[in-house]
Amino acid sequence: GESVGLHLPTLSVQEGDNSIINCAYSNSASDYFIWYKQESGKGPQFIIDIRSNMDKRQGQRVTVLLNKTVKHLSLQIAATQPGDSAVYFCAEDSSYKLIFGSGTRLLVRP
Amino acid sequence: SQTIHQWPATLVQPVGSPLSLECTVEGTSNPNLYWYRQAAGRGLQLLFYSVGIGQISSEVPQNLSASRPQDRQFILSSKKLLLSDSGFYLCAWSVPDLPEAFFGQGTRLTVV
Repeated sequence: GESVGLHLPTLSVQEGDNSIINCAYSNSASDYFIWYKQESGKGPQFIIDIRSNMDKRQGQRVTVLLNKTVKHLSLQIAATQPGDSAVYFCAEDSSYKLIFGSGTRLLVRP
Repeated sequence: SQTIHQWPATLVQPVGSPLSLECTVEGTSNPNLYWYRQAAGRGLQLLFYSVGIGQISSEVPQNLSASRPQDRQFILSSKKLLLSDSGFYLCAWSVPDLPEAFFGQGTRLTVV
């Protein structure tokens, strides 16, 4: 069946370093892939999305890479800051609904 | 601008009691609406989605139900809560044909 999953449950990085969060998906028919950030006790917040016909998309300090050959998605955060500490979810768009992965917790060390 | 309101923020209910969580969206028309549940330290599980008034699709079998009595109102209900219904419930909306969903602040439900 459809599934979206993550390689690493927890990622610890030094403040100022770059962070890379990975995600694997299995449904190659999805049109969009989206990254969300969830801070403790709050709802997920949209970060960036990428269409299935793209390989790369950049936002402010974030870059999403899509490798359809191996069904892999990644989120890169440049110059990671303490405010980036949160749980990050990838999600795929599947017929009106978003299917979420299990999440990666990003911890930023001062 | 569009906003989504979800209440209450926290709720403690005894086993066997009923449940009603409400979600409303402002600033948009005919949104897609969603209810998700998140267990502690886990990902988001889609429970229900709706593409229009009175149109509800259920993703998982459970003792919960959803209703959409108005275009921008989405309600999650249960007649009798179970301990396993505890979790963080999130309402979300999206514009039809666009992938991004926007989430409310969530309701933390504890069934005791």
